[in-house]
Amino acid sequence: GQQVMQIPQYQHVQEGEDFTTYCNSSTTLSNIQWYKQRPGGHPVFLIQLVKSGEVKKQKRLTFQFGEAKKNSSLHITATQTTDVGTYFCAGQAGTYKYIFGTGTRLKVLA
Amino acid sequence: DTEVTQTPKHLVMGMTNKKSLKCEQHMGHRAMYWYKQKAKKPPELMFVYSYEKLSINESVPSRFSPECPNSSLLNLHLHALQPEDSALYLCASSQAERGPSYNEQFFGPGTRLTVL
Repeated sequence: GQQVMQIPQYQHVQEGEDFTTYCNSSTTLSNIQWYKQRPGGHPVFLIQLVKSGEVKKQKRLTFQFGEAKKNSSLHITATQTTDVGTYFCAGQAGTYKYIFGTGTRLKVLA
Repeated sequence: DTEVTQTPKHLVMGMTNKKSLKCEQHMGHRAMYWYKQKAKKPPELMFVYSYEKLSINESVPSRFSPECPNSSLLNLHLHALQPEDSALYLCASSQAERGPSYNEQFFGPGTRLTVL
């Protein structure tokens, strides 16, 4: 079946350092979403990417969708302690059906 | 109101009990979802309702029975669960019609279920 993998599984950074998580799908995606889940919390929608090669920015966060629409990345510039959490990508596998990636857990050391 | 509410927050049940999880949203969303999330794992889709009809059942065991009584409410009825069903159960909703926010899912806080 369709799989969505993320690397790395864990990342510890010093506050102020940059962070990147990569998402790879076994099949071509029509679109991809990114969510953030704080410890003890629930997933919160960050962004949706639809077009091949699309790049979107939200303040310190930069999201990219690969040209082949099989991979995506999330880059955070100058991490802050508020960035702590698990970042999930979710690829569309059908109408209303999204497969969540394995997640990258980010820890930011002050 | 951009909130999805879920009750109860925590639930402990025995393997012979029958219980229900409830989810409510007032954003006018016509797609509602149940996900199961084990510790340190991603959410796994269980069911999707669109326009109050079951659209997706991801081969979930029959001991889980979803219900969508109206466009704002989603229930998950539980019966004869196993200890391995212990998890965080998340409800989500989204628009069902194509548009700028199509498929952006709003998640509730979840019900943490423990089966003894």
